[in-house]
Amino acid sequence: QVQLQESGPGLVKPSETLSLTCTVSGDSMNNSYWTWIRQPPGRGLEWIGYIYYTGTTYYDPSVRGRVTMSVDTSQSQFSLRLTSVTAADTAIYYCAKFYGPRYFDVWGRGALVTVSS
Amino acid sequence: QSALTQPRSVSGSPGQSVTISCTGSNSDIGNYNYVSWYQQYPGEVPKLIIYDVTKRPSGVPNRFSGSKSDNTASLAISGLQAEDEADYYCCSYAGHYTVIFGGGTKLTVL
Repeated sequence: QVQLQESGPGLVKPSETLSLTCTVSGDSMNNSYWTWIRQPPGRGLEWIGYIYYTGTTYYDPSVRGRVTMSVDTSQSQFSLRLTSVTAADTAIYYCAKFYGPRYFDVWGRGALVTVSS
Repeated sequence: QSALTQPRSVSGSPGQSVTISCTGSNSDIGNYNYVSWYQQYPGEVPKLIIYDVTKRPSGVPNRFSGSKSDNTASLAISGLQAEDEADYYCCSYAGHYTVIFGGGTKLTVL
């Protein structure tokens, strides 16, 4: 049974870079897509983007230009970097396994990231 | 791209049936059979309950069913139970390797 766990700073200053890592356990990352989804407090789910195990990435247009995803299959990890953050980027960030383009199956527990000075 | 449109809230009494709609466009729901639905309790992680428009993952009660007509997908819940009270989100592939969520619907069991 695959499990995912997000990790990273819970507080980021405005204009700085948000960085999160998702560690995958219980299964290989090969031949799979891996995704980041966020949920601002009290609001709905927002898809950020996904990465194939080979490193190919696909991003939502709303964050394209600020977002970079990367993968390290040797460490069973994939990562999210979001630059020039503002308060609007405050959210719970989830990593999940993506059976692209069909559905998100296994989710991490989520990591709350607050953007504040 | 705009979020898929869902009613902000729906309600029903125990034992009744409710339907949650999810309206998109010819670019997403209308063009692909890749609609999924997620159930989320407060403070919890979303859980997949419907995928590929109509399919249920193992362990999801058959009280939950999905359908699609033109640009609108629907989630039906029959025999409503108190434990069904949660937020529900639809999601669709939107082409060009992108995915889009609905704004979410709060289901209240009266």
